Amino acid sequence: GQSLEQPSEVTAVEGAIVQINCTYQTSGFYGLSWYQQHDGGAPTFLSYNALDGLEETGRFSSFLSRSDSYGYLLLQELQMKDSASYFCAVPFSGGYNKLIFGAGTRLAVHP
Amino acid sequence: GAGVSQSPSNKVTEKGKDVELRCDPISGHTALYWYRQSLGQGLEFLIYFQGNSAPDKSGLPSDRFSAERTGGSVSTLTIQRTQQEDSAVYLCASSSAGTGGDEQYFGPGTRLTVT
Repeated sequence: GQSLEQPSEVTAVEGAIVQINCTYQTSGFYGLSWYQQHDGGAPTFLSYNALDGLEETGRFSSFLSRSDSYGYLLLQELQMKDSASYFCAVPFSGGYNKLIFGAGTRLAVHP
Repeated sequence: GAGVSQSPSNKVTEKGKDVELRCDPISGHTALYWYRQSLGQGLEFLIYFQGNSAPDKSGLPSDRFSAERTGGSVSTLTIQRTQQEDSAVYLCASSSAGTGGDEQYFGPGTRLTVT
């Protein structure tokens, strides 16, 4: 089967850097996506990695290592508004048109 | 332009009743997805529509669940004979293509409570 694992909770302080890891098991791999969801809100797209390496978008970066079936989301210069749940997701094997989501990592940023 | 909209935002229903949830995708988006999210959990894929192709229903949990998409735009998710375990937030998303890396735009969801 296919599955994703990510930590359930992470806590950090404002201005710090935090890394949210995601390991996946898939029978076919097309790429790793990250979504952010604030409490009561809709998930919003953050990034997508199809190739190995680091992709940077402002304060957020995403990394992928296909050989290790591993990726991470790196959040720098943390702000209170970054407190949210972060989900990694991969397309279903054989059909890169629907996503399997991890259970999510709840990030709490404290002053 | 407008984002993905869903209605109703909240629905409370009695066990055994049927419910219909509506999704209006972003105009021009050919792909439409339905997901379900239980409290504190990740998103569970339910069904996928792409253009005029037959929908991918592989995620529907039982035959009480069905969905249609009319005119390649609005979609309705129907749950018949609702059960308490159907209580969740039902999220609709759309995208301009159907590839896995394509950004999916989510609606605000419908919170369904079955009493």
